[in-house]
Amino acid sequence: NAGVMQNPRHLVRRRGQEARLRCSPMKGHSHVYWYRQLPEEGLKFMVYLQKENIIDESGMPKERFSAEFPKEGPSILRIQQVVRGDSAAYFCASSPLPGGASTDTQYFGPGTRLTVL
Amino acid sequence: AQSVTQLGSHVSVSEGALVLLRCNYSSSVPPYLFWYVQYPNQGLQLLLKYTSAATLVKGINGFEAEFKKSETSFHLTKPSAHMSDAAEYFCAVSDRGGGSQGNLIFGKGTKLSVKP
Repeated sequence: NAGVMQNPRHLVRRRGQEARLRCSPMKGHSHVYWYRQLPEEGLKFMVYLQKENIIDESGMPKERFSAEFPKEGPSILRIQQVVRGDSAAYFCASSPLPGGASTDTQYFGPGTRLTVL
Repeated sequence: AQSVTQLGSHVSVSEGALVLLRCNYSSSVPPYLFWYVQYPNQGLQLLLKYTSAATLVKGINGFEAEFKKSETSFHLTKPSAHMSDAAEYFCAVSDRGGGSQGNLIFGKGTKLSVKP
């Protein structure tokens, strides 16, 4: 059973460009979470999605950031007009359907390290 | 609101010595608590979790943690450190009060070094 997959693993963008980060959850998982890890900091929650629905986006910056989890395909975290402060590691996690085993456990992908020049 | 405090951003132990990484939490609801490990340039791997069953939780790689409600603590221990334990360790609490399945609130992490 493949784990959570994220791509790209490393992404370099110049200020003002767009960054698209992709996350494929584990097979059978329908919940996706995005977290951001700044240098020397723990992970900070950004957004929680189910298929075609944003459930909780309380951690998302109000501008430039958006996330989706379409019916088909991976979840996408999109950052428009990137700035140097967006440089961080972005982690995706997934968890199974409610009522299934280990629904309270999130399984993390390897992360995408975004560098803004 | 839930929060996590990890005491000590860096801990260094000798190989074979006891590992003790401290975590205190604050939660307005009965907490679910987790320890994750992160190796350099990798994602987070679940070590163990507490979800209101046994207060002493055993995890992978010989780690265990004890939930102490009176002390609001969930410290991580391992009797004998191995060189391969060198990594960063994160304690997290599940925010289950928002009606969702609950996002995780992380501490700032503790970097564990193991000396030969």
